[in-house]
Amino acid sequence: EVVLTQSPATLSLSPGERATLSCRASQSVSDYLAWYQQKPGRAPRLLIYEASNRAAGIPVRFSGSGSGTDFTLTISSLEPEDFAVYYCQQRSNWPPLITFGQGTRLEIK
Amino acid sequence: QVHLVESGGGLVRPGGSLRLSCAASGFTFSDYYIGWVRQAPGKGLEWVSYISGARNIVSYADSVKGRFTISRDNARNQLFLQMNSLRADDTALYYCARVFMSLRGVEYYFDNWGQGTLVTVSS
Repeated sequence: EVVLTQSPATLSLSPGERATLSCRASQSVSDYLAWYQQKPGRAPRLLIYEASNRAAGIPVRFSGSGSGTDFTLTISSLEPEDFAVYYCQQRSNWPPLITFGQGTRLEIK
Repeated sequence: QVHLVESGGGLVRPGGSLRLSCAASGFTFSDYYIGWVRQAPGKGLEWVSYISGARNIVSYADSVKGRFTISRDNARNQLFLQMNSLRADDTALYYCARVFMSLRGVEYYFDNWGQGTLVTVSS
């Protein structure tokens, strides 16, 4: 089973700053990686798929990069509504099994 | 507009059973893989299972394999999760989530989610 490790566990930043979140896989997942945002009491929202493709309706300040085992979600300039928990998710090649990282909490400094 | 509504959660004793349902609307249900993701209170996300539109492909997380069964009724636009031999660590909010489709096909990410139904396993 592929294990995803997200860092840091908590990131404290101010609106307008740049956020960089990391996700590391225990073995190569190619570019089969997604990022989600979850706000308290809400369902997760797909932000990025295939490591770098923004999902429909996602603002351009969100970008993803990486391949193999190391991935990054970047939020170029934080808006107040961006403070939430972020999860990465991978799918193994075949059969497609799915695992999530443990999450990074992005909080207002 | 895609809409997913889960139901069937509740309190059940260890070793008991429960059947969750998810009613889907706003898209051609039979065209999409769909699945379940759960979240224990205060914890992260855990994938549980998914099923193909044609019902010929199903997959489960190791933690539920042999105890949970996913199924769907394409005529009624409904997804189900039969949960048997429930344990305390199955306690979670269970989300129904549609699997994302791109021009390349099935992408095994979740692009639309319901609001979840809470399952509590306790004596």
